[in-house]
Amino acid sequence: GDSVTQMEGPVTLSEEAFLTINCTYTATGYPSLFWYVQYPGEGLQLLLKATKADDKGSNKGFEATYRKETTSFHLEKGSVQVSDSAVYFCADRPQGGSEKLVFGKGTKLTVNP
Amino acid sequence: GAGVSQSPRYKVAKRGQDVALRCDPISGHVSLFWYQQALGQGPEFLTYFQNEAQLDKSGLPSDRFFAERPEGSVSTLKIQRTQQEDSAVYLCASSMDRDEQYFGPGTRLTVT
Repeated sequence: GDSVTQMEGPVTLSEEAFLTINCTYTATGYPSLFWYVQYPGEGLQLLLKATKADDKGSNKGFEATYRKETTSFHLEKGSVQVSDSAVYFCADRPQGGSEKLVFGKGTKLTVNP
Repeated sequence: GAGVSQSPRYKVAKRGQDVALRCDPISGHVSLFWYQQALGQGPEFLTYFQNEAQLDKSGLPSDRFFAERPEGSVSTLKIQRTQQEDSAVYLCASSMDRDEQYFGPGTRLTVT
């Protein structure tokens, strides 16, 4: 079945620094790809998604591009804020069949002022 | 509008006890999912309903785990004879379409 591997954390950055969190997947066919975020004390929220190769998902200054050739969906943000401190999860939804999501282990991001 | 709600938010059970975890999905959402999240890990799929039909239960770790959604709305995840390895956060999610799943706050189960 599908699997998702993401960059081990924790990641600590200063405010306004550039962020990259790497995510790669192993899948049969063409999965849909997602980034979810979990802020302290809150539930998982969808941050962005891409449903086909070369699509770019974007939201709140975050971006990720679905790269079929490298099976990657890296999350980037040009200038992080303290409020971006959270745990970020990469996930895929396998093509066809069940609608289940397959998650990576999560990457904890802390942004210091 | 109201999001996905789960109850209880915290549950402590002694080993061997049965527990029942409840999920109230967003009104009108056809699909409902249960995930298990161990400490420091990502959520792992347990089971999935479309209306009242359980279409995928491939993630249930043993026959001690049972889920139901009898009227296509509220769902209950039941764990019989709890073991220490069942300690985790149990997440419920619902969706209207094949894309975005909306997650509840989770139930943290601790088995002592």
